[in-house]
Amino acid sequence: NAGVTQTPKFQVLKTGQSMTLQCAQDMNHEYMSWYRQDPGMGLRLIHYSVGAGITDQGEVPNGYNVSRSTTEDFPLRLLSAAPSQTSVYFCASSRDRPPYEQYFGPGTRLTVT
Amino acid sequence: QQQVKQSPQSLIVQKGGISIINCAYENTAFDYFPWYQQFPGKGPALLIAIRPDVSEKKEGRFTISFNKSAKQFSLHIMDSQPGDSATYFCAASRPGAGSYQLTFGKGTKLSVIP
Repeated sequence: NAGVTQTPKFQVLKTGQSMTLQCAQDMNHEYMSWYRQDPGMGLRLIHYSVGAGITDQGEVPNGYNVSRSTTEDFPLRLLSAAPSQTSVYFCASSRDRPPYEQYFGPGTRLTVT
Repeated sequence: QQQVKQSPQSLIVQKGGISIINCAYENTAFDYFPWYQQFPGKGPALLIAIRPDVSEKKEGRFTISFNKSAKQFSLHIMDSQPGDSATYFCAASRPGAGSYQLTFGKGTKLSVIP
């Protein structure tokens, strides 16, 4: 199993540009989540999904959209990038039953200039 | 409102020593408390987790101590090794949220020096 994969690994955007961060998992996990990690802030939940076709907002959803058309994929869209969205983004997946371990991808480092 | 407070922000321990990281939570509905370990350039990985029906859980050199009345839990790393140098995050989640609504602490950067 490849686990959780994320592309791209690095990205530089100009303010106002849009882009999609890709996330895929091959473990048939029901739950998938997007987090952003900023220095000294820990990991903050952006959006999550409990299954195909079902998504909901986390702690910091503004400026981001998600969709979940398949169990495997959970892309994160930045509609109009802002410098405040400069961060490292992690996708994670887990089963819907114990032990509830979240498996994280390797991350995407995004810089918005 | 920060629901999970983690301390210290950074920690330097000599090889062979004990590393202790503390977390405190506010929401008494939390019922799952994992610790994640993150190496530079990598995603976090689950290290050990505990539920509030036990006061301690040990896996190898890693132990979680849980104090429900004080709403605190801590990670102890015995015989710390340079390979343990990483950032550690405590987290918590509440019933019905499963694992997908974890609330993380801000992290502790551990450096184990030879």
